[in-house]
Amino acid sequence: GQNIDQPTEMTATEGAIVQINCTYQTSGFNGLFWYQQHAGEAPTFLSYNVLDGLEEKGRFSSFLSRSKGYSYLLLKELQMKDSASYLCAVLDSNYQLIWGAGTKLIIKP
Amino acid sequence: NAGVTQTPKFRVLKTGQSMTLLCAQDMNHEYMYWYRQDPGMGLRLIHYSVGEGTTAKGEVPDGYNVSRLKKQNFLLGLESAAPSQTSVYFCASSSGSGEYNEQFFGPGTRLTVL
Repeated sequence: GQNIDQPTEMTATEGAIVQINCTYQTSGFNGLFWYQQHAGEAPTFLSYNVLDGLEEKGRFSSFLSRSKGYSYLLLKELQMKDSASYLCAVLDSNYQLIWGAGTKLIIKP
Repeated sequence: NAGVTQTPKFRVLKTGQSMTLLCAQDMNHEYMYWYRQDPGMGLRLIHYSVGEGTTAKGEVPDGYNVSRLKKQNFLLGLESAAPSQTSVYFCASSSGSGEYNEQFFGPGTRLTVL
């Protein structure tokens, strides 16, 4: 079967750095997405990785290791507005997105 | 440019009732999707469409039907609602598949079936 694992919940302090991990086992791989979802709102796109390595976009970075079936999202200089759920999703061999259950990130002052 | 819109935003149904959820996008996207999101679970694909006049089943299609008569609209129907269909429903669209599969989501419809 297809499986994507993320921690259910994480807590971090404003101004700090947090790393949210995602491991996957899917039938094929055509890329990995990270989305942000604030409570009661729609998911919004953060990043896309298809090659191994680190992609940096402002305070957010995303890393991929295809051989290990592993990705992480790194958030720097945390702000209160970063409190949200972060969803990992893998594009499988049929170009369908398989979604993780999401990681709820709580930022404390 | 409204992006992706959904109507209604909230709905309460009784078991056995029917309803249609409407999704509209103004980005000229070919691909459209209907998902449901339940607590503790990832988004699950119900049905999707790769273009006007085409639809296909996703991971959890039972109890739902869809139509894509116009490129900009994607309708999700529940013929006989059941309590197990209580969920938040999201519509999304994208310009293509593969690396162009960045999906843009509507605000969601919160459906309760009593």
